[in-house]
Amino acid sequence: EAGVVQSPRYKIIEKKQPVAFWCNPISGHNTLYWYRQNLGQGPELLIRYENEEAVDDSQLPKDRFSAERLKGVDSTLKIQPAELGDSAVYLCASSSGLSGNTIYFGEGSWLTVV
Amino acid sequence: DAKTTQPPSMDCAEGRAANLPCNHSTISGNEYVYWYRQIHSQGPQYIIHGLKNNETNEMASLIITEDRKSSTLILPHATLRDTAVYYCIVRVASGNTGKLIFGQGTTLQVKP
Repeated sequence: EAGVVQSPRYKIIEKKQPVAFWCNPISGHNTLYWYRQNLGQGPELLIRYENEEAVDDSQLPKDRFSAERLKGVDSTLKIQPAELGDSAVYLCASSSGLSGNTIYFGEGSWLTVV
Repeated sequence: DAKTTQPPSMDCAEGRAANLPCNHSTISGNEYVYWYRQIHSQGPQYIIHGLKNNETNEMASLIITEDRKSSTLILPHATLRDTAVYYCIVRVASGNTGKLIFGQGTTLQVKP
């Protein structure tokens, strides 16, 4: 069974440019998460989807970050414009949404803003 | 904020058991203890989880104290590939509150 797939794996952009990350969750998983991980820190939740509905986006910086999950499967996370402080690993994860379910992570998208 | 406390780092000799402690003194009755690890440049990898009883799978064993205020992850025969950051997380696993809140974790260094 394929795991959570993310792309791109690595991205280097100049500040003020836009960037987008894509995530394909495990088949059948209706809950999708985006996390951000700064160097030396644990991952922090940005947004959580239940199917196509964002049910927890309290940590998403809405002035420059946006996310969508059309049709309740794939998801994209966008930053526009990027700032130097956005350099981090952006992790996508998914789970089946049932009680006691396990959350599985992708390999992450490494963003460097220069 | 994370509800767990872990030592920042530990060393273990290759082939020996690695015992990683975690304190979660404010854990609620409906919260599970989850363990993940993160090898450099990879996403977090699920290891094991438990509620009350001790658990074992092909990767590790999880020992939870009777009062549930602490737990220990045991890697029975550590290898160099087990060098990673290990995260202990308490999580409500039902309904819409099942997100993972990560702390700083324990960096385990397995040495030859």
